[in-house]
Amino acid sequence: GENVEQHPSTLSVQEGDSAVIKCTYSDSASNYFPWYKQELGKGPQLIIDIRSNVGEKKDQRIAVTLNKTAKHFSLHITETQPEDSAVYFCAASAGGTSYGKLTFGQGTILTVHP
Amino acid sequence: DTGVSQDPRHKITKRGQNVTFRCDPISEHNRLYWYRQTLGQGPEFLTYFQNEAQLEKSRLLSDRFSAERPKGSFSTLEIQRTEQGDSAMYLCASSISTDTQYFGPGTRLTVL
Repeated sequence: GENVEQHPSTLSVQEGDSAVIKCTYSDSASNYFPWYKQELGKGPQLIIDIRSNVGEKKDQRIAVTLNKTAKHFSLHITETQPEDSAVYFCAASAGGTSYGKLTFGQGTILTVHP
Repeated sequence: DTGVSQDPRHKITKRGQNVTFRCDPISEHNRLYWYRQTLGQGPEFLTYFQNEAQLEKSRLLSDRFSAERPKGSFSTLEIQRTEQGDSAMYLCASSISTDTQYFGPGTRLTVL
């Protein structure tokens, strides 16, 4: 089955700096890659996603890049703000007979210092 | 608020008791997923419904676990004879024939 590795496990930045979180996946059939933000005591919130026919996608301060050959994708947050502090999860899905079930990485605790 | 609701938000039970959780997906979402999340880990897939049909179950879902979605709307997840290892956050997500899944706030289960 699919295996998703996520790095780093913790990331500490100053307000205004950029943050980058990287993930690798194992199943070449995976074609959908969402990123979720989870705050304490809450469910994961979708922040951006990318499909395999696209190499990069941006939404204001957030961007995701995908390299299907190398089987890795990354989340980029620019101009970080204290409210960006949370746990971020990457995930991968192969669609088709996997019914869209998501395989998640282990999470990255992002702390943005004012 | 994604529109997916879960009840209860917190449940404390004693080992050996049965518990049941409910998930109400976003209206008209035909796909419904259950995941389990332990402290410091990402969510892990448990089971999937398309309308009322349960199409896939993870090997994590032992025979003490059962899930239903009787009319293709809300879903229930029951755990019988709870064990301390069942303590976790149980998350429900829904989608509408696409990959994009929206998660509820979760039910935090503590087994004493």
